[in-house]
Amino acid sequence: QVHLQESGPGLVKPSETLSLTCTVSGVLISRSFWNWIRQPAGKGLEWIGRVSHSGTTNYSPSLESRVTVSLDTSKTHFTLRLNSVTAADTAVYYCARGPWASGMDVWGQGTTVTVSS
Amino acid sequence: QSLLTQPPSVSAAPGQKVTISCSGSSSNIETNPVSWYHQFPGAAPKLLIYDTNKRPSGIPDRFSGSKSGASATLVITGLQTGDEGDYSCGVWDTSLSTGLFGGGTKLTVL
Repeated sequence: QVHLQESGPGLVKPSETLSLTCTVSGVLISRSFWNWIRQPAGKGLEWIGRVSHSGTTNYSPSLESRVTVSLDTSKTHFTLRLNSVTAADTAVYYCARGPWASGMDVWGQGTTVTVSS
Repeated sequence: QSLLTQPPSVSAAPGQKVTISCSGSSSNIETNPVSWYHQFPGAAPKLLIYDTNKRPSGIPDRFSGSKSGASATLVITGLQTGDEGDYSCGVWDTSLSTGLFGGGTKLTVL
């Protein structure tokens, strides 16, 4: 059974870098796309970006200048880095598996990140 | 503001049918497969429909998806109280090279 688990600091200071890890178990990251999505409190889902099993990345244009999604060479986890954060980056962050065509079929439970000094 | 437009809320009685719309454009819904997600408050989204009209294993046939032009629709029949929650559509936008989610629709089963 495929399982995804987000981990990382729950509090990040303004202007610093948010860094999260999604640990994948039950399958090697040798296929599919691996996504990061976030959801501010009371708002809708926002796609951040993705990395393919081969390391190819795509990012939301609104975040592209600040975001990096990468695949660990061990292919057991992938990471999100978002720099120069502000309060607007406060949200629940999810990792999920899947290309858009097939839908994201496995999601992590989500982790809350607050940007505050 | 999302490029995919969904009604903020819909409601219906148990046993009834509800329709949730997702309006996009020629570069997203009209061109690419649509997926739908269900989310309980405080929980992660769950895939309901993929490739516009396909159901993952375990999703009952009370849930169905379709699209016409630049609009997609999720239909839920035989409503149950357990169907309450937020429903979001998702699609890739070819022109923007980005994934898009709708703003979400809150379903209330009266």
